[in-house]
Amino acid sequence: DTEVTQTPKHLVMGMTNKKSLKCEQHMGHRAMYWYKQKAKKPPELMFVYSYEKLSINESVPSRFSPECPNSSLLNLHLHALQPEDSALYLCASSLLLANLGNIQYFGAGTRLSVL
Amino acid sequence: AQTVTQSQPEMSVQEAETVTLSCTYDTSESNYYLFWYKQPPSRQMILVIRQEAYKQQNATENRFSVNFQKAAKSFSLKISDSQLGDTAMYFCAFVGYGGSQGNLIFGKGTKLSVKP
Repeated sequence: DTEVTQTPKHLVMGMTNKKSLKCEQHMGHRAMYWYKQKAKKPPELMFVYSYEKLSINESVPSRFSPECPNSSLLNLHLHALQPEDSALYLCASSLLLANLGNIQYFGAGTRLSVL
Repeated sequence: AQTVTQSQPEMSVQEAETVTLSCTYDTSESNYYLFWYKQPPSRQMILVIRQEAYKQQNATENRFSVNFQKAAKSFSLKISDSQLGDTAMYFCAFVGYGGSQGNLIFGKGTKLSVKP
């Protein structure tokens, strides 16, 4: 089973809303990632968690707040977003960190629209 | 800084034919990993093939194979017997063994259309 599950698939929110994206995997992976992808562009890394600890934060605005409550679950809390934050948000996981050659498995993403 | 370049923004191929997608990269590291991912319209990024830089043998996975030229820093993907389901965006990606821990560096992608 190489499945990474993301919910919801689609999300529309206003600039004053608070919402959360959820990502789950049951492969025993200890590294999890959030990416942002704009249309016709490659994914851009936002956050990396290793053993439930934040390992990389790629200078992401504070209106995005990640959380890793356990080894299977990764959340992305959203607050006071801007229209330019509209994008596809991808979650990925790997057995260990990618620089050791571990394959990242991706979820199907959450399509976010900020009005 | 490491970079990945895909020089073909779009390509098309007839069903059952062979197509090659190009990828070059730049790095000063001696050990690293290279990947090809596909992203169909369904959006999910799917691993196509992985190459370890210290292995000289080119990776193959069914109809997919790579031509890895370490000295030239080239990593092309060959798709044989193309199928309609191969229609997707293809991203070449790099991660250095000693580099930023989780940072897959992606190329800009090549949009492949397989025509019946």
